[in-house]
Amino acid sequence: RKEVEQDPGPFNVPEGATVAFNCTYSNSASQSFFWYRQDCRKEPKLLMSVYSSGNEDGRFTAQLNRASQYISLLIRDSKLSDSATYLCVVNPYSSASKIIFGSGTRLSIRP
Amino acid sequence: DVKVTQSSRYLVKRTGEKVFLECVQDMDHENMFWYRQDPGLGLRLIYFSYDVKMKEKGDIPEGYSVSREKKERFSLILESASTNQTSMYLCASRGVTGANVLTFGAGSRLTVL
Repeated sequence: RKEVEQDPGPFNVPEGATVAFNCTYSNSASQSFFWYRQDCRKEPKLLMSVYSSGNEDGRFTAQLNRASQYISLLIRDSKLSDSATYLCVVNPYSSASKIIFGSGTRLSIRP
Repeated sequence: DVKVTQSSRYLVKRTGEKVFLECVQDMDHENMFWYRQDPGLGLRLIYFSYDVKMKEKGDIPEGYSVSREKKERFSLILESASTNQTSMYLCASRGVTGANVLTFGAGSRLTVL
């Protein structure tokens, strides 16, 4: 079983729709969680950290469910510019090097 | 604004050649990383450095070495490039205080013929 698993997609949704992805992780001792966004042929960039109580940044909401060991990302009122691959990132022990990346979920927003 | 710069965006090399990939960060970060990214496999850690002259092997260090002589610079070396090292190489850095956020360079796309 992979340490971090994501549905690869692609998710193809119309502009204005709400879309959500989940990411599961296997290590219950994981401490830090993030969503990164990666555009085609570009580097990953931090979208948002995920906090225990859940957090929101504009149209984006991230949630953590420790009991079921998953994190989620919700995008409301999706825009064409949201088309990208979304990477789930988990830092199991707050160790410096052990940062686990999911393979990413591809999102495509259509007009 | 925080910056990680990778010197070469695109390289084409022949099998057996020695390849240097350079990465420089201007954030005074202690931690630096080299990853490779391949379709369907995600990002895989090649090497990690937590300080000058200090390094740790990642998940796939075979065929690679690294050098960190100065805090701001972390180099990835392919002693004898092979076709299975054709990939996108991403350098990243992170400070030891505050959020554990990685900042990536733009990537170096290496093709080995």
